[in-house]
Amino acid sequence: SQQGEEDPQALSIQEGENATMNCSYKTSINNLQWYRQNSGRGLVHLILIRSNEREKHSGRLRVTLDTSKKSSSLLITASRAADTASYFCATDYTGANSKLTFGKGITLSVRP
Amino acid sequence: DAGVIQSPRHEVTEMGQEVTLRCKPISGHDYLFWYRQTMMRGLELLIYFNNNVPIDDSGMPEDRFSAKMPNASFSTLKIQPSEPRDSAVYFCASSRGRFYNSPLHFGNGTRLTVT
Repeated sequence: SQQGEEDPQALSIQEGENATMNCSYKTSINNLQWYRQNSGRGLVHLILIRSNEREKHSGRLRVTLDTSKKSSSLLITASRAADTASYFCATDYTGANSKLTFGKGITLSVRP
Repeated sequence: DAGVIQSPRHEVTEMGQEVTLRCKPISGHDYLFWYRQTMMRGLELLIYFNNNVPIDDSGMPEDRFSAKMPNASFSTLKIQPSEPRDSAVYFCASSRGRFYNSPLHFGNGTRLTVT
């Protein structure tokens, strides 16, 4: 399977703490994206990082990409209860028939 | 911007019945995707369209599944006949430009239960 794999599968932290989530993938990519899904809702795009980029920031989000290790991390700083959701990485593999494939997600619980 | 609109939000049907899921993408978006989400398999891409033309339907599980996009503002996913293993949440998503350049915008999904 070409799916990215997120780690850990579940994460529980206290409000105000930082949350770090990891994604590993298998072959060369054009870009990697992170999405959030609240219960009962569709996925919402958070950030896109291209293969030639190493780090991107968006508000309290920081994403890094290490193409040599085929891995990415999503850091949420100063977490809030409203950050409770599932987080997915999605990879666009290079190649003629590439598709955006999603991992199975990380369930983040932020305790107030 | 109303976002991607899917209907119905919930569908409960009996095995053997025909099911039609509907999607209205964001105006101006030229790509439309159908995904299926289950606990076991996660999010799977079923099919995607570019400018109303199906590009890749290799994810469609069986001939029982079909998708159409008659115009830029409407798409359907049909299952005929439905089976209990089709129970899942089906998402429609759209984007302006191919996914390596731009993010996908998802609807809130249709939860399908086949009894």
